[in-house]
Amino acid sequence: SQTIHQWPATLVQPVGSPLSLECTVEGTSNPNLYWYRQAAGRGLQLLFYSVGIGQISSEVPQNLSASRPQDRQFILSSKKLLLSDSGFYLCAWSVAGEQFFGPGTRLTVL
Amino acid sequence: AQSVTQLGSHVSVSEGALVLLRCNYSSSVPPYLFWYVQYPNQGLQLLLKYTTGATLVKGINGFEAEFKKSETSFHLTKPSAHMSDAAEYFCAVSEPISGGYNKLIFGAGTRLAVHP
Repeated sequence: SQTIHQWPATLVQPVGSPLSLECTVEGTSNPNLYWYRQAAGRGLQLLFYSVGIGQISSEVPQNLSASRPQDRQFILSSKKLLLSDSGFYLCAWSVAGEQFFGPGTRLTVL
Repeated sequence: AQSVTQLGSHVSVSEGALVLLRCNYSSSVPPYLFWYVQYPNQGLQLLLKYTTGATLVKGINGFEAEFKKSETSFHLTKPSAHMSDAAEYFCAVSEPISGGYNKLIFGAGTRLAVHP
């Protein structure tokens, strides 16, 4: 069966520090992968999606970037965090239009 | 672009009462529709989905939803609320993106509270 992992589970970072969040999927090959952010009291905002290695599409301009170095690995990064980057970050993979979500990473920028 | 509207950011019901969470969508093509549930500090879990066929869809935990094309709605219901149903619920519609793939457009979510 397929599983999706995210780490770390929680992260507290100072403003201006770099960020790297990792997502890996097991049990499937060539998945579509997605990064969402959920800010406090708000719905989910799609940040990036990827349909293959090295293929990244950005939904909104922002302080973040994404990379897909391997088929089942999706990384969310920032060179310098802003306070507004705080939130709950969810990775997802999809097949046949249905998306399956990871456990999420809670990021607090102070 | 498609959009999803969830009426009521907070809904409160008594244990044993009917749960009704509203979702309306805008789509120019026949949509795929989804309901997800999120418990605190966890990822999203799929409750149910509509793709084609029967418009009344049954999901996990006793939830069901009915696709009404004429009303562009996909409301989520459960006949009798349980304390464990307290969570946040998200409605989503699938939108085509390049290469024949899809992404999900989510509503803002409805937080369901169940009181004794």
